[in-house]
Amino acid sequence: NAGVMQNPRHLVRRRGQEARLRCSPMKGHSHVYWYRQLPEEGLKFMVYLQKENIIDESGMPKERFSAEFPKEGPSILRIQQVVRGDSAAYFCASLPGLRDEQYFGPGTRLTVT
Amino acid sequence: GESVGLHLPTLSVQEGDNSIINCAYSNSASDYFIWYKQESGKGPQFIIDIRSNMDKRQGQRVTVLLNKTVKHLSLQIAATQPGDSAVYFCAESPYNTDKLIFGTGTRLQVFP
Repeated sequence: NAGVMQNPRHLVRRRGQEARLRCSPMKGHSHVYWYRQLPEEGLKFMVYLQKENIIDESGMPKERFSAEFPKEGPSILRIQQVVRGDSAAYFCASLPGLRDEQYFGPGTRLTVT
Repeated sequence: GESVGLHLPTLSVQEGDNSIINCAYSNSASDYFIWYKQESGKGPQFIIDIRSNMDKRQGQRVTVLLNKTVKHLSLQIAATQPGDSAVYFCAESPYNTDKLIFGTGTRLQVFP
């Protein structure tokens, strides 16, 4: 059973461009969480999704950020018009159901130049 | 506001010694606590968890202690090995959610 997959592992974008981060959960997992991590800090919750539903987006900035988890395919975290402050590592985690262990992917390191 | 904090940003131990990493949490509604290990360039790796109806849980070489009275969590690693060198995070989950609130992390350095 493959683990949580994230791609790309490293992404460089110029200010104003769009960033698309992909997360493929573990097989059988229908819950996905996205977290952001700044250097030397802990992970910060962004959004919680189930298939075709956004359950909790209280950690997402109101503008420029969006997330989806379609019926088929990976979950996507989209950042429009990136700014330098968006530079961080973005992790997704998947779990099979409520109150289960979260399995983390290797992360995508976004650098905005 | 919600916060999970750690007392020591860096802990240096000699190989073979026991390590204790501490964590304070502030959300009384949290009923699930997890310790994660994160190596450089990787995602967090689950180590051990504990629910609020317990005060101690043991795994292989690791023990988690929970003191709800003072909102304190600790991770004990027995016979610390070089492979244990990493950043360790505690995380809490409020009742009826899976959202994790992470602390800032403690870097564990193991010397031969």
